[in-house]
Amino acid sequence: NAGVTQTPKFQVLKTGQSMTLQCAQDMNHNSMYWYRQDPGMGLRLIYYSASEGTTDKGEVPNGYNVSRLNKREFSLRLESAAPSQTSVYFCASRETRKGSYNEQFFGPGTRLTVL
Amino acid sequence: EDQVTQSPEALRLQEGESSSLNCSYTVSGLRGLFWYRQDPGKGPEFLFTLYSAGEEKEKERLKATLTKKESFLHITAPKPEDSATYLCAARSGSARQLTFGSGTQLTVLP
Repeated sequence: NAGVTQTPKFQVLKTGQSMTLQCAQDMNHNSMYWYRQDPGMGLRLIYYSASEGTTDKGEVPNGYNVSRLNKREFSLRLESAAPSQTSVYFCASRETRKGSYNEQFFGPGTRLTVL
Repeated sequence: EDQVTQSPEALRLQEGESSSLNCSYTVSGLRGLFWYRQDPGKGPEFLFTLYSAGEEKEKERLKATLTKKESFLHITAPKPEDSATYLCAARSGSARQLTFGSGTQLTVLP
């Protein structure tokens, strides 16, 4: 059981370049999330997918797009990278249950630098 | 707007020196208060969920408690391997997702 996996682990981009961050989970979870983590600011939600085929904006969606490819995979795309998008990106997943909001499981992160 | 504030930002303890981390929250209708541990270069790892005031949960040297305005993570006789950043997050009845605090970086010296 690998849990939540993310690729790549590290990436350096130049301003204006595009890239896709990949995330996959093997826990059969319905919900998946993309966060960014910046020093002193905690985790901020970029986009989430409550179930296969649906996506919704989080707190900081500008400059990003997502695709829920299937139940296992949820990708995050930067169309034209900017230095302000330098951050650590975490993917997470969660089993949805009626009547309670249970915990999210996180991947190891992608460290992105935009020059 | 939901807010979660953690204090202190950083805490250094000697091995065996017990202490508490604070998580204050302002959310409308709490639907869950979560504690995570994050080691350097890794993703957050789930520790506890608390749902109602007065609830307590324990795991090894850690105990989490919840009141109507804040949560505490008590660390009893910590060891160097407890060194990490501890994050709390809250989910309100109105928001569909979690609001995270910025974390407390704990260092336990041998």
